[in-house]
Amino acid sequence: EAQVTQNPRYLITVTGKKLTVTCSQNMNHEYMSWYRQDPGLGLRQIYYSMNVEVTDKGDVPEGYKVSRKEKRNFPLILESPSPNQTSLYFCASSEPPSGGVFYYNEQFFGPGTRLTVL
Amino acid sequence: EDQVTQSPEALRLQEGESSSLNCSYTVSGLRGLFWYRQDPGKGPEFLFTLYSAGEEKEKERLKATLTKKESFLHITAPKPEDSATYLCAVGSSNTGKLIFGQGTTLQVKP
Repeated sequence: EAQVTQNPRYLITVTGKKLTVTCSQNMNHEYMSWYRQDPGLGLRQIYYSMNVEVTDKGDVPEGYKVSRKEKRNFPLILESPSPNQTSLYFCASSEPPSGGVFYYNEQFFGPGTRLTVL
Repeated sequence: EDQVTQSPEALRLQEGESSSLNCSYTVSGLRGLFWYRQDPGKGPEFLFTLYSAGEEKEKERLKATLTKKESFLHITAPKPEDSATYLCAVGSSNTGKLIFGQGTTLQVKP
């Protein structure tokens, strides 16, 4: 079954304690992305990756790190979490934007990770 | 500035009562308009992609249309299982980013 998996699904932690949220996809997609979803603000992109070892900032990258050492995995790292990073996080993957003109393709989303930072 | 606005924020319908959800956008160079469905506690699920004005796509009771300024998601004779939050997203060539609207939460009562 084609899917994007995230772990953990729920996490409660304390300010400053480093954490990693894993994301893995089995569709051989080149493009992967992390979003956070907050009430009233919708989905906002944190980081994205066009391929292995290629990552770039989204709209809200401060306080986050990512790495893309393998095509299927795209972990999100919070080195020193703060309460304002309490949110619902989604990982997504897709075929890369295509064509000579930059067109997006449909994204497949993971089930989400609900993070609470105390 | 690129912007995506969805309306209404919430919509309550009786089963069988057709209606439309709106997604208005302002982007410099449209690179795809997407509709997703999101159920509580789950990730968004892809519904449609539209790339050019005049394009229409259908799936069961849903039909998406696109103009140069907005997209509509028409729901014909909805059922309670259509209750969800519907998200619109637009790809922008200006920023190279995918911008999401805040969503419309649809509730269909039997």
